[in-house]
Amino acid sequence: KNQVEQSPQSLIILEGKNCTLQCNYTVSPFSNLRWYKQDTGRGPVSLTIMTFSENTKSNGRYTATLDADTKQSSLHITASQLSDSASYICVVSATSGTYKYIFGTGTRLKVLA
Amino acid sequence: EAQVTQNPRYLITVTGKKLTVTCSQNMNHEYMSWYRQDPGLGLRQIYYSMNVEVTDKGDVPEGYKVSRKEKRNFPLILESPSPNQTSLYFCASSSRQIYNSPLHFGNGTRLTVT
Repeated sequence: KNQVEQSPQSLIILEGKNCTLQCNYTVSPFSNLRWYKQDTGRGPVSLTIMTFSENTKSNGRYTATLDADTKQSSLHITASQLSDSASYICVVSATSGTYKYIFGTGTRLKVLA
Repeated sequence: EAQVTQNPRYLITVTGKKLTVTCSQNMNHEYMSWYRQDPGLGLRQIYYSMNVEVTDKGDVPEGYKVSRKEKRNFPLILESPSPNQTSLYFCASSSRQIYNSPLHFGNGTRLTVT
């Protein structure tokens, strides 16, 4: 069964600290993995997209890594800001062309001043 | 500004009263889809459309209908809403011309069925 599991479910950190969110997937065949940020009351916004041949991709203070062998991905946030408080959703796409997306349940991050 | 627009943002209705949630995108995207988001379950796909007049079921299509008569619009229709359809709904679109194009989401429609 295609599944995407994220951990932790929630996380609280102090402003300025770094954190890492995890995503494990069992989707096959794999096409790409995406990280989205969802602010409360808003739609998700794309942060990164990685194919199986990419190990790391950065978007400002966000760095995503992918290990296609172990089917694991992480999202590292550097020097967190209050505006990073949001849910972070890992999404895995099956074979390209089918537009089948499997969503994780997200990690809810709270950054405190 | 490139965007996906959903209306209404909030909707309260009663069981059995037909409703339509509209979705429009201005990016000329071929692909459009509808999702519902429930606590602890993540986003689940209801229906999707690869292009005009082409629609297909997602993971949870029961109780919903869609149509794609124009490229920019993809309305979600609930013919006879029930309380278990109370949820947060998102419309999304992406390009099929750009490899690994990201999904662009609307800001959601919170539906309550009493």
